[in-house]
Amino acid sequence: DVKVTQSSRYLVKRTGEKVFLECVQDMDHENMFWYRQDPGLGLRLIYFSYDVKMKEKGDIPEGYSVSREKKERFSLILESASTNQTSMYLCASLTHGGNQPQHFGDGTRLSIL
Amino acid sequence: QKEVEQNSGPLSVPEGAIASLNCTYSDRGSQSFFWYRQYSGKSPELIMSIYSNGDKEDGRFTAQLNKASQYVSLLIRDSQPSDSATYLCAVVDTSGSRLTFGEGTQLTVNP
Repeated sequence: DVKVTQSSRYLVKRTGEKVFLECVQDMDHENMFWYRQDPGLGLRLIYFSYDVKMKEKGDIPEGYSVSREKKERFSLILESASTNQTSMYLCASLTHGGNQPQHFGDGTRLSIL
Repeated sequence: QKEVEQNSGPLSVPEGAIASLNCTYSDRGSQSFFWYRQYSGKSPELIMSIYSNGDKEDGRFTAQLNKASQYVSLLIRDSQPSDSATYLCAVVDTSGSRLTFGEGTQLTVNP
């Protein structure tokens, strides 16, 4: 069974802090994704990666960066956290070709004070 | 035009009724389609996948795909209160690397 693990379920940080959200998957999937989800706005793609050291901007990359040094790990970085980045963050992985479903982690509810 | 559009909600049905959820997509080359269920405060959970035109049934759930019309739907028969959740339609793009979600339809099943 596919397992996508996010490092924290709940996180509280302060404005201006550098924040790291970690995600690890155990199925050797090529593609990994970071989304944020806000009420009324659905799932919005921040960044995705289709291979180690490769990254692509999603729909809302501003204020975020990512790192993929190993195939199983995809990190989301908030360079200088702001209150409008308070949200639920979801990591997912997908095998290339798209003929398998995307698997999600449990999510990280991040609050920026 | 949004890449993936779902019928606006919220949708409310009585227990035992059929709930019908609809989704259209813009990428004509899309080949893989998924329905996820998301309970409040939880992450999305896959409930159906469909890749070929026609119907696919799994228990009380039936997914329908019509690639010519760029339309995919989910029917829930004998709806139960436990089916109350937000349902997300997701479509893999032509490259096979990106999944785009609709905004979701909130379903409430009333006892």
